[in-house]
Amino acid sequence: TAGITQAPTSQILAAGRSMTLRCTQDMRHNAMYWYRQDLGLGLRLIHYSNTAGTTGKGEVPDGYSVSRANTDDFPLTLASAVPSQTSVYFCASSWTVDQPQHFGDGTRLSIL
Amino acid sequence: DAKTTQPPSMDCAEGRAANLPCNHSTISGNEYVYWYRQIHSQGPQYIIHGLKNNETNEMASLIITEDRKSSTLILPHATLRDTAVYYCIVRVVGTNAGKSTFGDGTTLTVKP
Repeated sequence: TAGITQAPTSQILAAGRSMTLRCTQDMRHNAMYWYRQDLGLGLRLIHYSNTAGTTGKGEVPDGYSVSRANTDDFPLTLASAVPSQTSVYFCASSWTVDQPQHFGDGTRLSIL
Repeated sequence: DAKTTQPPSMDCAEGRAANLPCNHSTISGNEYVYWYRQIHSQGPQYIIHGLKNNETNEMASLIITEDRKSSTLILPHATLRDTAVYYCIVRVVGTNAGKSTFGDGTTLTVKP
């Protein structure tokens, strides 16, 4: 069973470059989320989607964009990466916004 | 969503019960209390959640005070593999509320 798949697992990116982190779930969950986790800290919500076709801003949305064209995919794009975006990025999904979230294994992103 | 307060760290002897407190004094009537844990650098794992009644599953028990301003996660017989960061969060019930902040959590260390 796949659950949530994130790609790539890790990436080193030059500052100023753009990048899209991929997230795919096979559970037909309605809601999806992107978090970032800086070293030694908790998770902070970047963007979320209650259902396909809708998105919303979380706690730290600046510098990131998302789209939800279908139920399964929720890509996160950094248009012009900056070193402060170095972090571990987790994607999650849930049946609805008040149901338990299932998390992927994360993408470790370093911006140099 | 209401903010939660957790102690930064706790120790527990292997085989004993681990009681992890969480304060959510500003919780509103339509917010659930959720607990997750994160082992090392893996994605968070859902443990249990509740609205106002105490809950129990195969992993843990959740005790919510009558005024709902605090809760306690109980791991009845802690093992070394329960060493992790435990997060208490509150989330609004509804179809248009996907925001959730994890905070820094409690680092539980189970010792032999």
